[in-house]
Amino acid sequence: DIQMTQSPSSVSASVGDRVTITCRASQGISSWLAWYQQKPGKAPKLLIYAASSLQSGVPSRFSGSGSGTDFTLTISRLQPEDFATYYCQQANSFPITFGQGTRLEIK
Amino acid sequence: EVQLVESGGGLVQPGGSLRLSCAASGFTFASYAMSWVRQAPGKGLEWVSAISGSGGSPYYADSAMRRFTISRDNSKNTLYLQMSSLRAEDTAVYYCARELRGVISEIDYWGQGTLVTVSS
Repeated sequence: DIQMTQSPSSVSASVGDRVTITCRASQGISSWLAWYQQKPGKAPKLLIYAASSLQSGVPSRFSGSGSGTDFTLTISRLQPEDFATYYCQQANSFPITFGQGTRLEIK
Repeated sequence: EVQLVESGGGLVQPGGSLRLSCAASGFTFASYAMSWVRQAPGKGLEWVSAISGSGGSPYYADSAMRRFTISRDNSKNTLYLQMSSLRAEDTAVYYCARELRGVISEIDYWGQGTLVTVSS
């Protein structure tokens, strides 16, 4: 199975800050990577697919990069509604696996 | 508008069975692979099972193998997850999810989830 490791596990930031979350795959997954945002009590929401493609309707302050084993999600200017938990997911091979999550908290 | 509405969750005793359903609307259901993803209370996301648009080639996580069965009825636009031999560790919110492209893919739409609690 491909292990997905996110860092950090949690991060505190302020509105307007730039935040970067990383995701590392235990083996190469090309660009088959997604990023999701999840708020308490809600279903996850797709932000980025194919490592760097912005899902329709997602603000352009979200961006993704990387290929192979190392990936990043960047939020360029944090807004109050961005405080949530973020997950990466590999879609290269079964079983599909997710990172453990990164909780983004208000400083 | 794409909608996925799960039902069938509830309290079940260890060793029991439960069938989850997911009613889909707003898109051509048979054209999309579908998945079930679960989330234990306070924990992360865990993929459970996936099935192609035609209903062939189901895939399972090791934790679901030989206990869970995924299926779909394209005439009813409904996805199912039959769960048996349930364990306490199966307690979770179960999400129905639409795959963006093909049977192994990113997920572009999620249902609201249905809670399964396995407890005596």
